[in-house]
Amino acid sequence: DVKVTQSSRYLVKRTGEKVFLECVQDMDHENMFWYRQDPGLGLRLIYFSYDVKMKEKGDIPEGYSVSREKKERFSLILESASTNQTSMYLCASSFGNSGNTIYFGEGSWLTVV
Amino acid sequence: AQSVTQLDSHVSVSEGTPVLLRCNYSSSYSPSLFWYVQHPNKGLQLLLKYTSAATLVKGINGFEAEFKKSETSFHLTKPSAHMSDAAEYFCVVRNFNKFYFGSGTKLNVKP
Repeated sequence: DVKVTQSSRYLVKRTGEKVFLECVQDMDHENMFWYRQDPGLGLRLIYFSYDVKMKEKGDIPEGYSVSREKKERFSLILESASTNQTSMYLCASSFGNSGNTIYFGEGSWLTVV
Repeated sequence: AQSVTQLDSHVSVSEGTPVLLRCNYSSSYSPSLFWYVQHPNKGLQLLLKYTSAATLVKGINGFEAEFKKSETSFHLTKPSAHMSDAAEYFCVVRNFNKFYFGSGTKLNVKP
């Protein structure tokens, strides 16, 4: 089975702190994604990466950056956390192009106070 | 451009009755279509996927979906709801590397 692991399930951070959310997948997938999920807004794509050191902005990249130094690991960085970044963050990965499934981690609940 | 519309934000059924969750999509290409389920405080789990083989797709836990190209629909059904089906369901379209999500339908199952 594909496993996507998000190392932190629940975090509480202060406004202005730098926050790292880590994600690791074990299936050698090229594509990795970060989404945030908010009530009534569904899933919104923050960034995705289709190869090591490659990244593309999604729909809501402002206030976020990402790092993909190794194929299996994709990190989401909040340079200076703000209260409007309180949300559930979902990491996902997929293989290749059309037809292949996207697999999700369990999610990271971030509260910024 | 791709988009996904889930026609109902909330659906409520009684246990043992049929479930219908509606999804319409727009796609410039022959799409790959998926349904995912999310239980509270969990990630999304794949229920089923359509990738241009049979138009009726069977998934896990008794769910199935029918691809209708003429109606650009991919509705999710189950003949008999179970209490454990209470969750949020997402319809997803894939085009190349990108996935497009519907806004979700919350299914409530009454005893």
